[in-house]
Amino acid sequence: IAGITQAPTSQILAAGRRMTLRCTQDMRHNAMYWYRQDLGLGLRLIHYSNTAGTTGKGEVPDGYSVSRANTDDFPLTLASAVPSQTSVYFCASSDSGAGTDTQYFGPGTRLTVL
Amino acid sequence: GQNIDQPTEMTATEGAIVQINCTYQTSGFNGLFWYQQHAGEAPTFLSYNVLDGLEEKGRFSSFLSRSKGYSYLLLKELQMKDSASYLCAATDSNYQLIWGAGTKLIIKP
Repeated sequence: IAGITQAPTSQILAAGRRMTLRCTQDMRHNAMYWYRQDLGLGLRLIHYSNTAGTTGKGEVPDGYSVSRANTDDFPLTLASAVPSQTSVYFCASSDSGAGTDTQYFGPGTRLTVL
Repeated sequence: GQNIDQPTEMTATEGAIVQINCTYQTSGFNGLFWYQQHAGEAPTFLSYNVLDGLEEKGRFSSFLSRSKGYSYLLLKELQMKDSASYLCAATDSNYQLIWGAGTKLIIKP
């Protein structure tokens, strides 16, 4: 593994189903982030974690949950998917959560909720 | 509220120079980033400015004016591979990035 990986690459999901998007980084970064990107809108922060064991809510956290059991992994769970959660999801990491460090992005997961 | 504004789309000619502007309003300010994003790919880091002035990095330069809430990305000697979206993002008082919607740059031969 080099950098950040995300799985799956894409997924079509029926509304109401539960889904976990996986994110793993091998850079030993302390901070990790989940964003969604929708056409015509900027990246919007869903949840973040400044260090293993802690998480925080971003701009659009409703309907999503995260956990940070260790430094490398930061899964995002949709408990009961709805069509408005159709989006491209990017995981990112940075050395710290100070906001002045470069964020490195995974390749993204394209999610369609029908 | 917090806001980042940048043009939706710009067109330029191969070999030319283009300037992409970004204005921001954030609660507090701790720096401004520019990222490049090719279609279907992840954003990648281009530059970071926290002090006023111009930072030059090869064909790309980034400028910041904190008093005006303004930044621009200058791309010189445009190449076809520069066709991409360019994302402006400012760090707010909570040390989170606030992102603009991106400027799609189209390069024509």
